[in-house]
Amino acid sequence: QQQVKQSPQSLIVQKGGISIINCAYENTAFDYFPWYQQFPGKGPALLIAIRPDVSEKKEGRFTISFNKSAKQFSLHIMDSQPGDSATYFCAASLRIGNEKLTFGTGTRLTIIP
Amino acid sequence: DAGVTQSPTHLIKTRGQQVTLRCSPISGHKSVSWYQQVLGQGPQFIFQYYEKEERGRGNFPDRFSARQFPNYSSELNVNALLLGDSALYLCASSLLPSNQPQHFGDGTRLSIL
Repeated sequence: QQQVKQSPQSLIVQKGGISIINCAYENTAFDYFPWYQQFPGKGPALLIAIRPDVSEKKEGRFTISFNKSAKQFSLHIMDSQPGDSATYFCAASLRIGNEKLTFGTGTRLTIIP
Repeated sequence: DAGVTQSPTHLIKTRGQQVTLRCSPISGHKSVSWYQQVLGQGPQFIFQYYEKEERGRGNFPDRFSARQFPNYSSELNVNALLLGDSALYLCASSLLPSNQPQHFGDGTRLSIL
């Protein structure tokens, strides 16, 4: 019940396209859903986060869509660029920073010219 | 401002040895969490500390221990190292244990021979 399932495992998108990564959770007590971006040799960097009282949050080219009834949330990267090539992790926690982050298994995103 | 700093960046140990990893949180952050990231997987929660008190513990054996110092820095200790302990160990800090996002360091890469 503590798992967060992430798909796809890898994704190749053409430059300028839209990258979409999906996550699903079981524990309805989760109330904070961040996305992290990780480059090789670096730690995860917080990209954007959402709470379940809103259905969408947008920051620049990055948008989180949240479907509380389906217990699913997704990351959309608009106008994908080669610099976006990285591994992306969704996560969930019971309270913002209070409880442990439960991470998905990651999506390796490659943006091709 | 400096981010979360971890030391050392790389470490090679042999089975049965003990290791100590160190973390300095972002200035002003009082909560520190430790995660283990095995290659190709998402980070797994090990510990959270706030004001020198353990606030949470993940599903790791007693060989893993940690502590937090008055300056909010933290150490993670692992005894009787096993081959399976080879991983990237990440430290994350937040201002408080609740209502604040977690920011990660670049980790310590631990290799067990």
